[in-house]
Amino acid sequence: DIQMTQSPASLSASLGETISIECRASEDIYSNLAWYQQKSGKSPQLLIYAANRLQDGVPSRFSGSGSGTQYSLKISGMQPEDEGDYFCLQGSKFPLTFGSGTKLEIK
Amino acid sequence: QVKLLQSGAALVKPGDSVKMSCKASGYTFTDYIIHWVKQSHGKSLEWIGYINPYSGGTNYNEKFKSKATLTVDKSSSTAYMEFSRLTSEDSAIYYCARERWYLLLRYFDYWGQGVMVTVSS
Repeated sequence: DIQMTQSPASLSASLGETISIECRASEDIYSNLAWYQQKSGKSPQLLIYAANRLQDGVPSRFSGSGSGTQYSLKISGMQPEDEGDYFCLQGSKFPLTFGSGTKLEIK
Repeated sequence: QVKLLQSGAALVKPGDSVKMSCKASGYTFTDYIIHWVKQSHGKSLEWIGYINPYSGGTNYNEKFKSKATLTVDKSSSTAYMEFSRLTSEDSAIYYCARERWYLLLRYFDYWGQGVMVTVSS
């Protein structure tokens, strides 16, 4: 199985701060990576697919990058509504696997 | 708009089975594969498997192969997951999600609201 190592596990950011979350795959996943935001008690919402493509309706302060085994999600200018859990999903090989999640809070 | 509406929370006894549903609307049900995902302890996510509503074909995570059974009812645009021989380890939130592709890259674009399953005597 492909292991997805996500870091950090938690992060505290000030309003307006730029933050990054990383996902490292145990093997090449060929940009087959999506990022999701999950708010407390809600289902996951798609932010980024294909490593760097912004889902319709998602604010442009969210961006994704990476290739091979290393991927990152950047939020350029933290907003109060960005608090929540974030996780990555690799869609390259079955079984599909997820990162362990990052809890993002406002400082 | 696309919606995946899942059935309500379930409280079940150890050893029992539970069957949950995921009703799709806002798109052609048979055009998109449906996946099922387990979320335990409020955070960690595991892929259970998928079903192709058009063909009925399935693919399971080995870990859940003897635990989960995926089916669909095309007439009602509903996918089902039955989880059997439940233990406390199966207490979790279960999501259905729709698969999309961009070029050769797979992702989930819409998720159901989740079903909380509690296994307790």
